[in-house]
Amino acid sequence: SQQGEEDPQALSIQEGENATMNCSYKTSINNLQWYRQNSGRGLVHLILIRSNEREKHSGRLRVTLDTSKKSSSLLITASRAADTASYFCAGARNTDKLIFGTGTRLQVFP
Amino acid sequence: EPEVTQTPSHQVTQMGQEVILRCVPISNHLYFYWYRQILGQKVEFLVSFYNNEISEKSEIFDDQFSVERPDGSNFTLKIRSTKLEDSAMYFCASKGQGGNQPQHFGDGTRLSIL
Repeated sequence: SQQGEEDPQALSIQEGENATMNCSYKTSINNLQWYRQNSGRGLVHLILIRSNEREKHSGRLRVTLDTSKKSSSLLITASRAADTASYFCAGARNTDKLIFGTGTRLQVFP
Repeated sequence: EPEVTQTPSHQVTQMGQEVILRCVPISNHLYFYWYRQILGQKVEFLVSFYNNEISEKSEIFDDQFSVERPDGSNFTLKIRSTKLEDSAMYFCASKGQGGNQPQHFGDGTRLSIL
């Protein structure tokens, strides 16, 4: 089963605007994690939200989780050119392995 | 901030040769993982490792693959007889003790099979 399907696939915005990315998943999870990947680099952990949490903040990041709809969103406020990257959600179940989606490519123009 | 380190950053190998990818997880972490990402595709789980044994492995992780923690710091992935389709970025990750902890990833090893 697939887990972590993001939309949109690509998003282009101007610096200062907010960027919203959505993620849907199909099976139950213990937590959902968001990662950033700069081109050709590793995955940087951004934020983890537990299945019993509905919203979480970290700096300019806001993540929501709706387990009834099996969906999550990542909001980046006041975006910067340095936020340009691919963003992935990944669900973790009891077995702990992460199942990644295809990601959203975010381009922030100065 | 502690980080996961992987070596080499790029490995070029002839098909059929053995390759060993190395990882140094974060020092107090107890759970270790390998993932791979074929160019333009999703990041895929390969194997998880805890308490000196494999916890779970995916269908990709067949008999050609093995993992080892040869000492207290290194975690290795060996591919015995590489195939062209093994070309990918391989990521190591580690996780600390306790529930709902994030996995921390290294920068990856780009493996190119010729």
